Amino acid sequence: AQSVTQLDSQVPVFEEAPVELRCNYSSSVSVYLFWYVQYPNQGLQLLLKYLSGSTLVKGINGFEAEFNKSQTSFHLRKPSVHISDTAEYFCAVSDTGGFKTIFGAGTRLFVKA
Amino acid sequence: KAGVTQTPRYLIKTRGQQVTLSCSPISGHRSVSWYQQTPGQGLQFLFEYFSETQRNKGNFPGRFSGRQFSNSRSEMNVSTLELGDSALYLCASIDVRGGETQYFGPGTRLLVL
Repeated sequence: AQSVTQLDSQVPVFEEAPVELRCNYSSSVSVYLFWYVQYPNQGLQLLLKYLSGSTLVKGINGFEAEFNKSQTSFHLRKPSVHISDTAEYFCAVSDTGGFKTIFGAGTRLFVKA
Repeated sequence: KAGVTQTPRYLIKTRGQQVTLSCSPISGHRSVSWYQQTPGQGLQFLFEYFSETQRNKGNFPGRFSGRQFSNSRSEMNVSTLELGDSALYLCASIDVRGGETQYFGPGTRLLVL
């Protein structure tokens, strides 16, 4: 069975500082990996995804993530955050042959001035 | 392309009533999934439909049901509402040819009094 662990429930960071949101998964098969962002009172918005190819994936709003198969991780990074990046971030995994996507519990990013 | 549409956006019901929520996926997508999101339980998978067939179901009681129509629009129904059903209900339109990428609607916020 697949599972997704987001290692930090909350991450406070100062504006213009770098940030890394950590995500580990477990799966016995090949996977697709996703990061979503949710702003208050809104649905989830796709930030980026890894389907195949280059392990470094660039997404919207300056975010990027790196797929590390040996570590079974897909950490999200941004070199310099803005106040507007304050939101909840979800990591998700689906196996390449199945139909079900598993979401992590979410990481709440607080960007402070 | 138009995004995912969910109606209504907000709903207030009383215990014991039933409710029907609607979701129109992105044009060309034949698969939708539904999630319940609450502060305590996070994002929980309800069910997923592909071409009018339910292909995955989460661990929710039988009071929660859904269906998909030939035009890919989907509805979910909750009967005999309980206070604990108060939540944000999210629908996602799934690109099955794009790594099962899910594109979320804005959600329906249900309050049960």
